[in-house]
Amino acid sequence: DAKTTQPPSMDCAEGRAANLPCNHSTISGNEYVYWYRQIHSQGPQYIIHGLKNNETNEMASLIITEDRKSSTLILPHATLRDTAVYYCIVRVFGRWNYQLIWGAGTKLIIKP
Amino acid sequence: GAVVSQHPSRVICKSGTSVKIECRSLDFQATTMFWYRQFPKQSLMLMATSNEGSKATYEQGVEKDKFLINHASLTLSTLTVTSAHPEDSSFYICSADIPWTSGDTTDTQYFGPGTRLTVL
Repeated sequence: DAKTTQPPSMDCAEGRAANLPCNHSTISGNEYVYWYRQIHSQGPQYIIHGLKNNETNEMASLIITEDRKSSTLILPHATLRDTAVYYCIVRVFGRWNYQLIWGAGTKLIIKP
Repeated sequence: GAVVSQHPSRVICKSGTSVKIECRSLDFQATTMFWYRQFPKQSLMLMATSNEGSKATYEQGVEKDKFLINHASLTLSTLTVTSAHPEDSSFYICSADIPWTSGDTTDTQYFGPGTRLTVL
């Protein structure tokens, strides 16, 4: 089962910052948080990941709370192309190796 | 980011036939590749983990004799759906893992564009 919960959908105005929340209250100390997005009928695209420090790259910023029980993905200036399903994932050790266990994600719709 | 390709992007086949899907890492070597399946309006489900030069490890409920996985080189893994049936129609996606020794903070999976399989 997924270790994350996300709102099923969100809207954001084009040009504004999109803030996508994620709860992972059962995360363990060595488990990373990953964010991917999936545009309809395409493979998921890696966005960012982190352990406990805030992270930033050319696509987004990841803010992880101090207790690590939740995080927020920030798309600083959303465009129409950012419309997608965004998945927050905790990387866990499965039966044989590290795995990404996918939840339902948040459908983000960017409106003009 | 790293590039992963899949071929074919779309395939339609008759019930009872076998279909092979290729997954390639184009600009890096991947010791580990993953195969997922995604049904409409659902999330990704991990089917198996493929390690170069060894047998794939399958998740519970996935038939290893039906979904044959071969990872013959550091850049290629193949998934063969044998004796396909309409219920096997799905979106199949592979990913390749860049291990932390490549300079990243930890392993990161990069995904292919997916293969849409329709079994008639």
